[in-house]
Amino acid sequence: DGGITQSPKYLFRKEGQNVTLSCEQNLNHDAMYWYRQDPGQGLRLIYYSQIVNDFQKGDIAEGYSVSREKKESFPLTVTSAQKNPTAFYLCASNRGSYLGNEQFFGPGTRLTVL
Amino acid sequence: GQQLNQSPQSMFIQEGEDVSMNCTSSSIFNTWLWYKQDPGEGPVLLIALYKAGELTSNGRLTAQFGITRKDSFLNISASIPSDVGIYFCAGSFLSGNTGKLIFGQGTTLQVKP
Repeated sequence: DGGITQSPKYLFRKEGQNVTLSCEQNLNHDAMYWYRQDPGQGLRLIYYSQIVNDFQKGDIAEGYSVSREKKESFPLTVTSAQKNPTAFYLCASNRGSYLGNEQFFGPGTRLTVL
Repeated sequence: GQQLNQSPQSMFIQEGEDVSMNCTSSSIFNTWLWYKQDPGEGPVLLIALYKAGELTSNGRLTAQFGITRKDSFLNISASIPSDVGIYFCAGSFLSGNTGKLIFGQGTTLQVKP
């Protein structure tokens, strides 16, 4: 089955700790995206990558970091510099903007900072 | 950043009723997408629109790409309890296409059996 997987589903961390959220896709998509969702708000873009070994900041990149060493994987690290990290994090992928803008989402990871 | 104005913010309807929601933008978009999100899950793509004036259906769902390229609407006919969830519109800009989407704030739909 082709799709996007995110792990873990729920994640708890203590203040001051870095944590890495996993995102893997087997859709052979070129582009991948990370979003943050807070209650009552739309999705806000954190980082995106259109090709391996390249990524760009989104609207709310401060306190986050990413890597794109493989086409299938786009992990997101929430650093201790992120002031309010408790949120629902969503990963998405796209075939490549030249092929259309439809993004397909993973099931999400809910991060709670204790 | 760029915002989409999505309305209404929430709806509470009776099963069998029709539903309508819309999104407007201050900028021209070349793509409008509609997603549904169930609680605690990722959004699922419902309908994609790529051409101004385009009207597309997916079962009981119908969406249209506005002629001005600055708006879109989604209609759900004969609602059923499983229609409950949050519906998001999303658009991407005409120029400098990076595949980035701008999302509306969502319409929360509740259906009373």
